Amino acid sequence: DIQMTQSPSTLSASVGDRVTITCRASQSISSWLAWYQQKPGKAPKLLIYKASSLESGVPSRFSGSGSGTEFTLTISSLQPDDFATYYCQQYNSYLWTFGQGTKVEIK
Amino acid sequence: EVQLVQSGAEVKKPGESLKISCKGSGYSFTSYWIGWVRQMPGKGLEWMGIIYPGDSESRYSPSFQGQVTISADKSISTAYLQWSSLKASDTAMYYCARGGGSPNRGFDSWGQGTLVTVSS
Repeated sequence: DIQMTQSPSTLSASVGDRVTITCRASQSISSWLAWYQQKPGKAPKLLIYKASSLESGVPSRFSGSGSGTEFTLTISSLQPDDFATYYCQQYNSYLWTFGQGTKVEIK
Repeated sequence: EVQLVQSGAEVKKPGESLKISCKGSGYSFTSYWIGWVRQMPGKGLEWMGIIYPGDSESRYSPSFQGQVTISADKSISTAYLQWSSLKASDTAMYYCARGGGSPNRGFDSWGQGTLVTVSS
């Protein structure tokens, strides 16, 4: 199985901060990586697919980059609505896997 | 509008069987994968497996292989997740999600979740 490792596990930030979350794959997944946002009690929501493509309707302050084994999700200016947990997911292999999540908290 | 509507919350006893459902609408059900994702209380997302309703090909995470069965009835655009003998550790929220497409966007649409509680 391909393992996905996110860092950090928790991130404390203020409104307006630039935030970066990293996701590493245990082997190359090309660009087959998605990022999701989940708020408490809600289903996850797709933000980024194919490593850097912004899902329709998602604010442009969200961006993704990377290929191979190292990927990042960046929020250029953190907004109150962005405090949530973020997950990466690889869908390159026969079996798909999620990272363990990064909780973005209010500082 | 793409929609995935899941069946309601369930409360079961250990050893009982259960089948939960996920009905797709607003798109060609046989042209996309349907995946199942577990979220235990206070924990992260776990990819359980997926099925392609067009030909019923299914894939399972090793962690869930043999523990659950994923199936689909394309005539009614519905996918299922079932257990033959529940354990307390199966208590969790279960989500279905649509995957695949061209380009493949991962899981681009999600159901609302089905809460399964297993307790004696």
